[in-house]
Amino acid sequence: GAVVSQHPSRVICKSGTSVKIECRSLDFQATTMFWYRQFPKQSLMLMATSNEGSKATYEQGVEKDKFLINHASLTLSTLTVTSAHPEDSSFYICSASRDTTSYEQYFGPGTRLTVT
Amino acid sequence: SQQGEEDPQALSIQEGENATMNCSYKTSINNLQWYRQNSGRGLVHLILIRSNEREKHSGRLRVTLDTSKKSSSLLITASRAADTASYFCATEATGFQKLVFGTGTRLLVSP
Repeated sequence: GAVVSQHPSRVICKSGTSVKIECRSLDFQATTMFWYRQFPKQSLMLMATSNEGSKATYEQGVEKDKFLINHASLTLSTLTVTSAHPEDSSFYICSASRDTTSYEQYFGPGTRLTVT
Repeated sequence: SQQGEEDPQALSIQEGENATMNCSYKTSINNLQWYRQNSGRGLVHLILIRSNEREKHSGRLRVTLDTSKKSSSLLITASRAADTASYFCATEATGFQKLVFGTGTRLLVSP
């Protein structure tokens, strides 16, 4: 199977600080990775799409300077929430795809971010 | 918003009964996928149906797709308490790789 991990699974940070979330594809090379945000009892909303070695493509309404995405290798993408505020508290989920034409996305277990 | 709609938002049934969830979407699609999510956990891929398919089965799951109505349904037969979860449809629009998720159905199966 295709396994995607996220680290950390839970993080609590103080308002104004930055927090980094890692997404790794463990047994395959992920050309494309996606970052989603999910508020309680709501659906997943795509934040951005990142292709290895290039800049991420952000969805409308997502601040690229606040949510920094780096996809420096074929197995790792990171999402950094900068100057976090309580309204950034959410469940962040990544997914990975083997190539840009594949319809199969493999989802990570998610990271619960709480900003106090 | 391009987000799909699902109904019902919540469904409560007894073990052994069938559960049907519906999904409507707005754009032309390559495929439609159904996912399951247990509370506070990641997503589990259940089934994918391509735009040229009308029905697909996997175990106790049956998915239909009507592209003329831009709708899909997920049927879980002989439900079990362990099926309690949220279920989401997700569409991959034609020409795009990204998924657009529906609003989800929270299913509660009581023993």
